[in-house]
Amino acid sequence: QKEVEQNSGPLSVPEGAIASLNCTYSDRGSQSFFWYRQYSGKSPELIMFIYSNGDKEDGRFTAQLNKASQYVSLLIRDSQPSDSATYLCAVRQTYKYIFGTGTRLKVLA
Amino acid sequence: DAGVTQSPTHLIKTRGQQVTLRCSPKSGHDTVSWYQQALGQGPQFIFQYYEEEERQRGNFPDRFSGHQFPNYSSELNVNALLLGDSALYLCASSLGENSPLHFGNGTRLTVT
Repeated sequence: QKEVEQNSGPLSVPEGAIASLNCTYSDRGSQSFFWYRQYSGKSPELIMFIYSNGDKEDGRFTAQLNKASQYVSLLIRDSQPSDSATYLCAVRQTYKYIFGTGTRLKVLA
Repeated sequence: DAGVTQSPTHLIKTRGQQVTLRCSPKSGHDTVSWYQQALGQGPQFIFQYYEEEERQRGNFPDRFSGHQFPNYSSELNVNALLLGDSALYLCASSLGENSPLHFGNGTRLTVT
């Protein structure tokens, strides 16, 4: 079992729709969770981080954490073609981040 | 406010050679981490430096070594390059252990 798992996609959504990206993790003791966006050929860019169970909203982005189910999600409202990228989920273990392989999102105009 | 800067942006080396990659952290950050990202994969943790010491290391051979300087900048050295070392090398900085990582633009290393 991989430590952080994501569906590789691609996940295709029409412009203006809600995109839902999911991530599961294996270490029940994990405390900190992160979402990064990575455009092709570029480096990861921090989108959201969440430490507590529940929802955290920032503009069009909402991160959701359920520690009991070991599940983290990212919702993108009003998706735009510029949101088309790979979204990486990361979990912190001590000082290192464990990344999933990413979900490729395509927003169709 | 300068972000994380890495140099060079691209590098082509031959098998068996040695390479040094450089990183300056975001202003105000004191911790530097290095990651390797192969094509189609998520970044893999190489090591983290704090107060000029290697604080944690990932599953990378001793050919990978690093250093942090008093001004918090850092270097990643890779000896005896293998074809499999071809990847995007990412430097990330943070303030202490609880703030999120911020990545530089990366160094694309190609080993031929």
